[in-house]
Amino acid sequence: NAGVTQTPKFRILKIGQSMTLQCTQDMNHNYMYWYRQDPGMGLKLIYYSVGAGITDKGEVPNGYNVSRSTTEDFPLRLELAAPSQTSVYFCASSYRNTEAFFGQGTRLTVV
Amino acid sequence: EDKVVQSPLSLVVHEGDTVTLNCSYEVTNFRSLLWYKQEKKAPTFLFMLTSSGIEKKSGRLSSILDKKELFSILNITATQTGDSAIYLCAVLLLTNAGGTSYGKLTFGQGTILTVHP
Repeated sequence: NAGVTQTPKFRILKIGQSMTLQCTQDMNHNYMYWYRQDPGMGLKLIYYSVGAGITDKGEVPNGYNVSRSTTEDFPLRLELAAPSQTSVYFCASSYRNTEAFFGQGTRLTVV
Repeated sequence: EDKVVQSPLSLVVHEGDTVTLNCSYEVTNFRSLLWYKQEKKAPTFLFMLTSSGIEKKSGRLSSILDKKELFSILNITATQTGDSAIYLCAVLLLTNAGGTSYGKLTFGQGTILTVHP
């Protein structure tokens, strides 16, 4: 009954460090998304993928990279972390044009 | 540019009140509109609306879509403290890449609902 699993749950990074947020889903969904949510705000789309090997930018892609080598996994890479990337990151997946299911989020603080 | 706008941004009511949350959109290639509830962690799905004028209901929550006016509302009757949450509206729209159509889920900024006892 795993659904969408994100790791880690929390992370503190220093400015300029890099890290990868992991996301995996076991529902065989073809669509996967990465969002960020700042305090009291809605979700902003960073990147999305419609299948293995296919990714596209969302509203706020700068400072991030993604890859989708398998259907299950959609990691988000932060290079050269900046304080502006302090946020809660959500991964989601869906089957084609249906509702998306979300992971529990990763709270990232850049200091 | 695709836009999804929710109002009000925040709302404080007392238990038993009825609330109406609004979501308007300006997007190309609309496919459907979704409502989510977010408490402390991940958003959880409430409704998906694809056709105009057909109300969806789940207990005290209901929602309807007007595709002519590009608008949806989410109603909550007899509110309870457990309804306190951020309510998110999202639009699933179709984008094209390489001749193929893909869905993309775009969210509004959310409405923070606080229900006092």
